[in-house]
Amino acid sequence: EIVLTQSPTTIAASPGEKVTITCRASSSVSYMYWYQQKSGASPKLWIYDTSKLASGVPNRFSGSGSGTSYSLTINTMETEDAATYYCQQWSSTPPTFGGGTKLELK
Amino acid sequence: QVTLKESGPGMLQPSKTLSLTCSFSGFSLSTSGMVVSWIRQPSGKSLEWLAAIDWDGDKYYNPSLKSRLTVSKDTSNTQVFLKITSVDIADTATYYCARTTLGAGYYWYFDFWGPGTMVTVSS
Repeated sequence: EIVLTQSPTTIAASPGEKVTITCRASSSVSYMYWYQQKSGASPKLWIYDTSKLASGVPNRFSGSGSGTSYSLTINTMETEDAATYYCQQWSSTPPTFGGGTKLELK
Repeated sequence: QVTLKESGPGMLQPSKTLSLTCSFSGFSLSTSGMVVSWIRQPSGKSLEWLAAIDWDGDKYYNPSLKSRLTVSKDTSNTQVFLKITSVDIADTATYYCARTTLGAGYYWYFDFWGPGTMVTVSS
C-alpha cells in the first residue's frame, strides 16, 4: 500500500502567517485529497483533485503538487484554521491517509 | 442535503462481532456511481479505511482486515452495514461512514462524513 508521510507533524503559526503542509507518497499518486478535522468532530473534505477547494473553504487555502510530493498552503493564517489536516490518496487500493499535521495558533 | 449517521454498540467484549449501521439521506445508493465507505480512527491517531460498497453491490475491503470484515447494504439503499469479527482492544476507535465520490481521473475520495460512533472493546 502507498504510505503518505506528512510534515511537519505539528506546527504553530501566528495570524497572518503563511503555512505550508507537505505530504509525501511512497509511490507516485495522481491526485491528492485533504481533510480538516477539529477536536471532537469528524473530518471534513477540504481540498480535492489536488487543488480544488471544497464548498465553503476560504480561498486563502490552496493545494498543489504531483507525483510523490503534494502540499496544502494557507496564505494568511486565521484563528479558525487551527485544526489537524490529513492527506489521502486513492490512486492505489487501499486508500490511505497521512499521519496528520496539527496546526496550532501561536 | 447529504447526511450520514453511524450507530453501534458503544462497548463490546474481545472476540465478539462488532455490528455497525450507517444511515444516510440526501442520496441513494442505487444511483450509478454512488459508494459508501467505512473508516475508523483510534483516539489521537490517524484514519484507516476499512471497506466500501457501491451502487451495484460490489464490495471493497482493506486487505489488512479483509478476513474479518463484511460490508452490506439494505434493499432500500438507505443503510450500509459493517461487521467486524473477533474484535480485540486494537479495534477500539471511532468509526465513520462516508459518502465516496469519483473525482478527476476516476479516483475516489470522501466528500461527506457522519459524526462517527465510538466503539470500545474491553472485557
